Amino acid sequence: EPEVTQTPSHQVTQMGQEVILRCVPISNHLYFYWYRQILGQKVEFLVSFYNNEISEKSEIFDDQFSVERPDGSNFTLKIRSTKLEDSAMYFCAGDSGTPEAFFGQGTRLTVV
Amino acid sequence: QKEVEQDPGPLSVPEGAIVSLNCTYSNSAFQYFMWYRQYSRKGPELLMYTYSSGNKEDGRFTAQVDKSSKYISLFIRDSQPSDSATYLCAMSAIEGNQFYFGTGTSLTVIP
Repeated sequence: EPEVTQTPSHQVTQMGQEVILRCVPISNHLYFYWYRQILGQKVEFLVSFYNNEISEKSEIFDDQFSVERPDGSNFTLKIRSTKLEDSAMYFCAGDSGTPEAFFGQGTRLTVV
Repeated sequence: QKEVEQDPGPLSVPEGAIVSLNCTYSNSAFQYFMWYRQYSRKGPELLMYTYSSGNKEDGRFTAQVDKSSKYISLFIRDSQPSDSATYLCAMSAIEGNQFYFGTGTSLTVIP
C-alpha cells in the first residue's frame, strides 16, 4: 500500500539554525500539506500546496517558513531560523482532491 | 472561538464494549468530516470520512454527522485492545482546504 514517507524521523537542532524537513508524497496525490503538533496539543495546519504553489497558509506559517516541491516527487518544509517554540511533530499529508488525506509518520523536531 | 471541540477523555472501556466518540463544531461551512486514529508519536491514520450529513459504516466503525446540531460521532462496535489509541476528528469546508482538528480522545480498551 502506498504511503507518505518523511525524513528524518527525528531532528535535533540548535536555536537559530535552518532545518529542512522532507516528504515523499503518494505519487497520484495533487494536494500537499504540512501540519504540526506540539506535544499534547491539536494538530495544526501550516500550509497547503497545489499546482506548484501555496494555496493556503495559516498564521503560523510566517516568513521563517517556506515550502518547495523541487523535483516533482519530494515536498520540503524549510524553517530558516528555528526557535524553541518550533519544537513539535511535523506531518506531511497529501490527497488527490478528496478529503481522504494521508499523513506521514512525522518528523519530531527538537530545538535546543 | 474554537472551531472544533472534542472531549480529550481519557476513555477506558472493557473489551467488547461499544465506544462513542464525539465532536462539536461552530463553523457551518464545514462539509467534510473525518476521523483519524493516532498512536503515540505517530502520524494520524485515516479511518473514515463523511460528506455532509448522514451515516457511514465500515466494519465495526460507524460515523454519523448531524449538521443541524453541528455534532459528529464515531461509534466502535465490539471494541478490541488494538483499538486503544487517540481518535481525532477533523473537518474541512472545501476539498483541498485545510483540516481543523479536534484535540483527540484517548481511548483504552481493557482486555
